[in-house]
Amino acid sequence: AQSVAQPEDQVNVAEGNPLTVKCTYSVSGNPYLFWYVQYPNRGLQFLLKYITGDNLVKGSYGFEAEFNKSQTSFHLKKPSALVSDSALYFCAVRADTGRRALTFGSGTRLQVQP
Amino acid sequence: DAGVIQSPRHEVTEMGQEVTLRCKPISGHDYLFWYRQTMMRGLELLIYFNNNVPIDDSGMPEDRFSAKMPNASFSTLKIQPSEPRDSAVYFCASSLRQAQKAFFGQGTRLTVV
Repeated sequence: AQSVAQPEDQVNVAEGNPLTVKCTYSVSGNPYLFWYVQYPNRGLQFLLKYITGDNLVKGSYGFEAEFNKSQTSFHLKKPSALVSDSALYFCAVRADTGRRALTFGSGTRLQVQP
Repeated sequence: DAGVIQSPRHEVTEMGQEVTLRCKPISGHDYLFWYRQTMMRGLELLIYFNNNVPIDDSGMPEDRFSAKMPNASFSTLKIQPSEPRDSAVYFCASSLRQAQKAFFGQGTRLTVV
């Protein structure tokens, strides 16, 4: 079985400040990890993924995430938040073998204040 | 490419009626996924296909739900009969085996009254 935990329902940050959205996972085997963003009344948009290699992954819109195997975490980060980053963020995982479909976390709403 | 196309965008129906949701995946993609999103349960996988064949339907909640993929460019999710608790946003996604990431449609918001 695989699972994803996003412990914060909402994260508030001031524009220009760094942001972190937390994610921990559980999976049998090597993890493939993803971050998606959802804007109101829209589908999910891919931000970044970790498959193998460098633990620090860079993605769209200036976002990055750090894979930490010992802590089973994949936190999303951005050095300087924008108001337009306000959205719902989902972390997802699947194992490198077996079931192809992603398991998603419950989502974290990011609110960036001007 | 137009991306994953879902129709309709919104559907309001009465309890007991049949509902059919449609999805056109990105051309060339060999995986197709149906997800449901609700406030209470978040994003749940319902079923996914590989090369038009259902691989895992363990997320389909009840026999009232069925999904088909008659060809590589079309899939349907049917609910018969529909119930108010089926109200949710239903997403279709597709991916290419080698690419790993999934592309999502804009979703169908279903309201059963």
